[in-house]
Amino acid sequence: EDQVTQSPEALRLQEGESSSLNCSYTVSGLRGLFWYRQDPGKGPEFLFTLYSAGEEKEKERLKATLTKKESFLHITAPKPEDSATYLCAVQVIQGAQKLVFGQGTRLTINP
Amino acid sequence: GAVVSQHPSRVICKSGTSVKIECRSLDFQATTMFWYRQFPKQSLMLMATSNEGSKATYEQGVEKDKFLINHASLTLSTLTVTSAHPEDSSFYICSARDTGGDEKLFFGSGTQLSVL
Repeated sequence: EDQVTQSPEALRLQEGESSSLNCSYTVSGLRGLFWYRQDPGKGPEFLFTLYSAGEEKEKERLKATLTKKESFLHITAPKPEDSATYLCAVQVIQGAQKLVFGQGTRLTINP
Repeated sequence: GAVVSQHPSRVICKSGTSVKIECRSLDFQATTMFWYRQFPKQSLMLMATSNEGSKATYEQGVEKDKFLINHASLTLSTLTVTSAHPEDSSFYICSARDTGGDEKLFFGSGTQLSVL
């Protein structure tokens, strides 16, 4: 069974304190790994797609990396507006293009 | 970027009534749309895959007669929660993939359903 596990479940940081969120996955065949940001009461907002081990993508204070077993979302010098739930999802080669989501990491950045 | 519009954003209804949620892709065509539900502080659980012009594909454990899906055009899918009960209260989110684009999914803003 395809599984996605995110850690930690919740993370509190001070403004400017860099850290990383983890997404580990067990799938039959990875087509792509996605990172989304979700604010309370809103739908997920797309951040990154990673397709192969070794790939990295950056956007402002965020950087996503991918290995054969896991992905990391690195947050550098975060600001309070980076507070949100960050969701990781995998798309498997078989399975009608659907995404399997992890449970998310609730990130809080204190000023 | 591509926009997916979902309405209504919030609905409160009495037990036993039916509720329809619309999901529209505003600037792209989507042959496939997905419906998720999300409970508080939990992740998104896929309910069904909506296919334009054909029957939806439901995930295991999701009652197809309770959650009716219609994907009548390349830009519109609807989810109808029939005879809603309090346990159906949840956050419902639709998503769509640009048929002519890459693999990423665009999500609607979600619908918070509260059944009294």
